[in-house]
Amino acid sequence: DAMVIQNPRYQVTQFGKPVTLSCSQTLNHNVMYWYQQKSSQAPKLLFHYYDKDFNNEADTPDNFQSRRPNTSFCFLDIRSPGLGDAAMYLCATSKLPGQPYEQYFGPGTRLTVT
Amino acid sequence: GEDVEQSLFLSVREGDSSVINCTYTDSSSTYLYWYKQEPGAGLQLLTYIFSNMDMKQDQRLTVLLNKKDKHLSLRIADTQTGDSAIYFCAETPFNDYKLSFGAGTTVTVRA
Repeated sequence: DAMVIQNPRYQVTQFGKPVTLSCSQTLNHNVMYWYQQKSSQAPKLLFHYYDKDFNNEADTPDNFQSRRPNTSFCFLDIRSPGLGDAAMYLCATSKLPGQPYEQYFGPGTRLTVT
Repeated sequence: GEDVEQSLFLSVREGDSSVINCTYTDSSSTYLYWYKQEPGAGLQLLTYIFSNMDMKQDQRLTVLLNKKDKHLSLRIADTQTGDSAIYFCAETPFNDYKLSFGAGTTVTVRA
């Protein structure tokens, strides 16, 4: 089945230790998104790639970076995780242009910072 | 604060109807969506409605849109235990493709 895969599902890192979260997709979608979701809050868009073009949200901290080496893979790098970065990180994809802008989500990676 | 607002919790008896409400602020939104998130899973699109529609029905799901009041609702008929999840309302503003989510409504179905 075509899908969005996130690895690992659970990640524990130490305060200040760089960590990378991975997302892959078999949908051949051209847009990939990274969201941060904290408990009882809405998913917050960090950035997205539209094809090879990187689009950063204005309020995304510099501590968060992303790479998209090819259509299928996208990575979220947190350079120096703080305790406030503990959250669920969701990857999503969509095929644009084309309405109604449906996004397909992966299961998420829950990040714990110790 | 968020542009999309939802009540945080809803408890419903199995077999009854559930109604989840949402208000949004962008009157130019083109599409409005309902996503479902089960424990340990990602978000799954349940249904969507185009802004020029008032109602959309899809099996047990009915979406009502009141553009004047910027109010969106999702009705689930004959609620089942498998409907226990967090439900997110979302919108795409005019001329944009990004989603703006509400904080989610946790629906608990009791026997």
